[in-house]
Amino acid sequence: GQNIDQPTEMTATEGAIVQINCTYQTSGFNGLFWYQQHAGEAPTFLSYNVLDGLEEKGRFSSFLSRSKGYSYLLLKELQMKDSASYLCALMDSNYQLIWGAGTKLIIKP
Amino acid sequence: GAVVSQHPSWVICKSGTSVKIECRSLDFQATTMFWYRQFPKQSLMLMATSNEGSKATYEQGVEKDKFLINHASLTLSTLTVTSAHPEDSSFYICSARIGTSGREHTDTQYFGPGTRLTVL
Repeated sequence: GQNIDQPTEMTATEGAIVQINCTYQTSGFNGLFWYQQHAGEAPTFLSYNVLDGLEEKGRFSSFLSRSKGYSYLLLKELQMKDSASYLCALMDSNYQLIWGAGTKLIIKP
Repeated sequence: GAVVSQHPSWVICKSGTSVKIECRSLDFQATTMFWYRQFPKQSLMLMATSNEGSKATYEQGVEKDKFLINHASLTLSTLTVTSAHPEDSSFYICSARIGTSGREHTDTQYFGPGTRLTVL
């Protein structure tokens, strides 16, 4: 079966850097996604990794290690608007998304 | 690009009535659309996967006769909550995907803004 783990909640300071980890176990893998979801809103796409390594998109970067079943989302120069839940999602062998429970990120001034 | 719209954004109805929610991909053709439900402070829960021109595949525990899905075209899918009851009150979100190819552009699910349903 599949399993995804990510921390329930994290707190960081405005202007700082935070890394949100996601570990997974799966028999089939077709990529890993990160989404951002503000309270009361639908998720928005942040990143997709299917090969090992780091993908950088502005203040956000995502890393994948398939051999370790591990990914992280790195947020730099944190802004108050980055307060949201960050969802890690694994695409399995059937191209279905298996969602993590999400990490609620709280940014403090 | 990759914009998905959803209508209505919110709806309040009486118990026993039916509610139809539309999901449209505005600038791309989606071979697959997904319907999710999310209760407050809980994770996204996939209800069903819908492929254009074929019957939807429902997740375990989701009543297909209660949640009717029609994926009539490559840009439109509808979810009808039949005989809605207060326990059906939730945030319903659709997403659309171009296809699958192991590439970001085709594999990414793009979400609509969601529909908040309140059943009195």
